[in-house]
Amino acid sequence: GAVVSQHPSRVICKSGTSVKIECRSLDFQATTMFWYRQFPKQSLMLMATSNEGSKATYEQGVEKDKFLINHASLTLSTLTVTSAHPEDSSFYICSARSGQGITGELFFGEGSRLTVL
Amino acid sequence: AQTVTQSQPEMSVQEAETVTLSCTYDTSENNYYLFWYKQPPSRQMILVIRQEAYKQQNATENRFSVNFQKAAKSFSLKISDSQLGDTAMYFCAFMKRPTGNQFYFGTGTSLTVIP
Repeated sequence: GAVVSQHPSRVICKSGTSVKIECRSLDFQATTMFWYRQFPKQSLMLMATSNEGSKATYEQGVEKDKFLINHASLTLSTLTVTSAHPEDSSFYICSARSGQGITGELFFGEGSRLTVL
Repeated sequence: AQTVTQSQPEMSVQEAETVTLSCTYDTSENNYYLFWYKQPPSRQMILVIRQEAYKQQNATENRFSVNFQKAAKSFSLKISDSQLGDTAMYFCAFMKRPTGNQFYFGTGTSLTVIP
């Protein structure tokens, strides 16, 4: 199946700094990528939908100035957590759709664990 | 809005036995997909099985099969001949057509296969 890769897999930063997480589709072009946040033993919460070449669509309650999403190419989307605070510590997962239309399957990255000290 | 409910937070099954994970959903849509995803301890989500709502036949993938009851809005996953590698979190998910840009995930069921 298609491969989606996230980097870094783990990051620890100090409070007030910014952290960038990359999501790449390695063997397909992804016009749409999705960013999720997952708390321990909980489900995935959709944060935003990232469309190549346009502004991301954020879910209600997600601060767009806190979580900057850029989808500059068909294979790369980035999530930047700005001025990170301990409450931003979480597991962040990206996913991408393979192919055109709505065949349905999403491919997920390995996730990135952010710890803010 | 669509909601997906998994009423079993944790389940366990003996190796080689069969287990069924429950999922119900609520939607006014008639055209949609349903999925089961597996998230092992490594944390990467993996697609287990997919069902298209317009198909009456239940999807099957090797040891994994679903019981799709559209009228009841129920979508259970049956795992036969359970293996230790099946230990994981299992998420039921809903995607409406034709936009297909949003997945709605259930809260997950933690399955442990006991040797």
